[in-house]
Amino acid sequence: QSALTQPRSVSGSPGQSVAISCTGTSSDVGNYNYVSWYQQYPGKAPKLMIYDVNKRPSGVPDRFSGSKSGNTASLIISGLQAEDEGDYYCCSYEGRYTHYVFGTGTKVTVL
Amino acid sequence: EVQLVESGGGFIQPGGSLRLSCAASGFTFRNYWMSWVRQAPGGGLEWVAKINQDGSEKVYVDSVRGRFTVSRDNAESSLYLQTNSLRAEDTAVYYCARYASGSYYIDYWGRGTLVTVSS
Repeated sequence: QSALTQPRSVSGSPGQSVAISCTGTSSDVGNYNYVSWYQQYPGKAPKLMIYDVNKRPSGVPDRFSGSKSGNTASLIISGLQAEDEGDYYCCSYEGRYTHYVFGTGTKVTVL
Repeated sequence: EVQLVESGGGFIQPGGSLRLSCAASGFTFRNYWMSWVRQAPGGGLEWVAKINQDGSEKVYVDSVRGRFTVSRDNAESSLYLQTNSLRAEDTAVYYCARYASGSYYIDYWGRGTLVTVSS
């Protein structure tokens, strides 16, 4: 039941694109299309940004997109904006124990 | 509007117990899986437990199994987490969360309640 692996931080200038990876195993990310991504500002509750690998809830800007290849999922933020600065967490369903596992979290900095 | 409001957190000594509550409103509570997720100060999110619609299925992360118990009262639209034998490493903000209907992701979160375990 180890956390999914994410880079500690990524950064980019306004307008640039950044990608956040989320690496798991064949028991979670690799075997299920149930990866979700959450944005969190300091002191606030997380907010859903992507679900089922690449689906966007209504209200989430289309500059946020998701993908998956093998045991690694990715969140891409295109056209980075100042308000995108915050912490991002991936989450995957884990079938062996029928539970969920979060990623280690990535801090996005807009330069 | 979906609302999840946690309560019951506080300062507790190691070995002690706390019962966390989550009052749900704005949706038909009995139709949804619910979960608890925690976040240690300065740390990442950790999934803690989930419970199905009628309370017959409960799953826990290894680190709390045998010490924590998730339950619900559908008549009161409330979710609970009984935390026993608390340890310093259980110190965290505990979030109540709802799973989207028939899905495998959390679509709503509460604001959390802070549990501090310290002597």
